[in-house]
Amino acid sequence: AQSVTQLDSQVPVFEEAPVELRCNYSSSVSVYLFWYVQYPNQGLQLLLKYLSGSTLVKGINGFEAEFNKSQTSFHLRIPSVHISDTAEYFCAVTNTNAGKSTFGDGTTLTVKP
Amino acid sequence: DTGVSQDPRHKITKRGQNVTFRCDPISEHNRLYWYRQTLGQGPEFLTYFQNEAQLEKSRLLSDRFSAERPKGSFSTLEIQRTEQGDSAMYLCASSPNLGLATSYNEQFFGPGTRLTVL
Repeated sequence: AQSVTQLDSQVPVFEEAPVELRCNYSSSVSVYLFWYVQYPNQGLQLLLKYLSGSTLVKGINGFEAEFNKSQTSFHLRIPSVHISDTAEYFCAVTNTNAGKSTFGDGTTLTVKP
Repeated sequence: DTGVSQDPRHKITKRGQNVTFRCDPISEHNRLYWYRQTLGQGPEFLTYFQNEAQLEKSRLLSDRFSAERPKGSFSTLEIQRTEQGDSAMYLCASSPNLGLATSYNEQFFGPGTRLTVL
């Protein structure tokens, strides 16, 4: 079994500030890790994924996440947020032998001008 | 755009009625997943197919729910005798499968079908 805990349900932040969205997971087997973004009334879009290799994963627009196996975490960092980054962010894991994903309950990021 | 499509996007129904949703995955994607997302929560796994075979079903999938993927292409999710607790966003995702037991491929999500049961 596996589970995901997103430690902050809501994160308000001012424009151009840095932000970290925290994600911890629990699993008895090896996992892959993901961050998705969801805008209102839309599906999920993949932001970043960790499958293997370097523990620091970088995406577009400066988004990055770091896999920490000892702390079982995969925190998402945005160095400078924009108004358009306002959305729901989901962390997810899947074990390496199955296709289904287990999601956290999401973090609502609200960027204020 | 040849992404995952879902139809309808919104469905309002009365309690006790049956509803059916359709998902068209990305062409040639072997795997197809159904998730349910309620307000304020992350998506929860319901079931998934590899080609036409339904390989796993969650305990969330009561006997009122049935999913099919008859030709290994599109899939349908039917809910019989809907209840107000079925109100949610139903998400479909697809992924390719390289045929390796330990491989994983990225899931591509559709826009979802929002169901409201009155």
